[in-house]
Amino acid sequence: AQKITQTQPGMFVQEKEAVTLDCTYDTSDPSYGLFWYKQPSSGEMIFLIYQGSYDQQNATEGRYSLNFQKARKSANLVISASQLGDSAMYFCAMREGLGGANFGNEKLTFGTGTRLTIIP
Amino acid sequence: DTAVSQTPKYLVTQMGNDKSIKCEQNLGHDTMYWYKQDSKKFLKIMFSYNNKELIINETVPNRFSPKSPDKAHLNLHINSLELGDSAVYFCASSQATWAGGAGTDTQYFGPGTRLTVL
Repeated sequence: AQKITQTQPGMFVQEKEAVTLDCTYDTSDPSYGLFWYKQPSSGEMIFLIYQGSYDQQNATEGRYSLNFQKARKSANLVISASQLGDSAMYFCAMREGLGGANFGNEKLTFGTGTRLTIIP
Repeated sequence: DTAVSQTPKYLVTQMGNDKSIKCEQNLGHDTMYWYKQDSKKFLKIMFSYNNKELIINETVPNRFSPKSPDKAHLNLHINSLELGDSAVYFCASSQATWAGGAGTDTQYFGPGTRLTVL
């Protein structure tokens, strides 16, 4: 089974509208982290937001928020008031297990990405 | 100042050659990684190092050899390059913390190196 599933290969959204990018995950580990990264056409990977499995509240960072529904194993990214500069690939990623003598083993497993295009 | 830097940004070479990609981070992190992004944009872990010690080696051909001279540097050497090695290679670093059942870490990526094997 896929550990991270992003079901929307591409999305087109009107500028200034809010957009939700879907991400579901699969793990039996009680300790995990969920991340969203943005990859613009220039190619770099930009960290957007993080949600830990034990965090009680949904993470927010400026216009980005993470709609974390633990029971449903979903971690959707919400971008409010979209801008032209938001056009990019967006990747959801998960890190399983953390702590003790296990440092260095925090590999990220990525989804296949969603290409978001903001229309003026 | 760039937090995670990679050189070169572009690398074009012939099949069979040997090449290296260098990575440096100035974030003071203990852990560094190499990821490969294929032509379909799929990202996959290759290696991780923690304090110069190899931790993850994710079924990568032994033509790929990472080397970490110190915890701020992680280089990737590739022998006998093949057409299928063409990809974007990303270096990343993180500093994991663990406190009372909850951990936090974020991996910061370098700008990537686009390798093209002809």
